[in-house]
Amino acid sequence: KQEVTQIPAALSVPEGENLVLNCSFTDSAIYNLQWFRQDPGKGLTSLLLIQSSQREQTSGRLNASLDKSSGRSTLYIAASQPGDSATYLCAVKKRNAGNMLTFGGGTRLMVKP
Amino acid sequence: DAGVIQSPRHEVTEMGQEVTLRCKPISGHDYLFWYRQTMMRGLELLIYFNNNVPIDDSGMPEDRFSAKMPNASFSTLKIQPSEPRDSAVYFCASSLGGGGQVDTEAFFGQGTRLTVV
Repeated sequence: KQEVTQIPAALSVPEGENLVLNCSFTDSAIYNLQWFRQDPGKGLTSLLLIQSSQREQTSGRLNASLDKSSGRSTLYIAASQPGDSATYLCAVKKRNAGNMLTFGGGTRLMVKP
Repeated sequence: DAGVIQSPRHEVTEMGQEVTLRCKPISGHDYLFWYRQTMMRGLELLIYFNNNVPIDDSGMPEDRFSAKMPNASFSTLKIQPSEPRDSAVYFCASSLGGGGQVDTEAFFGQGTRLTVV
């Protein structure tokens, strides 16, 4: 059974810092890995999707990497801003498991002005 | 496209009542998922459909839960009878199954916050 873990569970940083969120998964046979952002009381917004054949994806100040062999992904946020405050979730889509996503518990990020 | 649309956004009901949650996926997407989110258990997959056919309902907690997808643009999740422990946020998501090595993003609705008192 695929298990996804995110560390840390919560993180508080001053504005302007570069930060890294971690995601690990137990089964490396994945189709892809997706990072989401969730604001309080809101739905999930897709940030980045990394296919199993890719090593990283970038969007603006966000960079996500994938190392399938070690079962790890990182989300790098450059020059953090208060508007980045949210919960960040990673999810993996496993091969031979239909199209379902397995989610980590999330990292709750607070960026202080 | 307006994205995945869920209704209602909030639902408060009394224990024992029937609750129906609705979802309209993104047009053209062939996969539809129902998730439940709680503080204790995070996001859990309840059931998913491919081309309107239920593929995996192993996440449905009990027989009180049922889901249907009568056509490609509409799905319902029904709880009958509802219980206080069903209180959670229920999300619907859709995606386009690319198959093979390449696959596509899942897009989520805004969720329905269910409170059973």
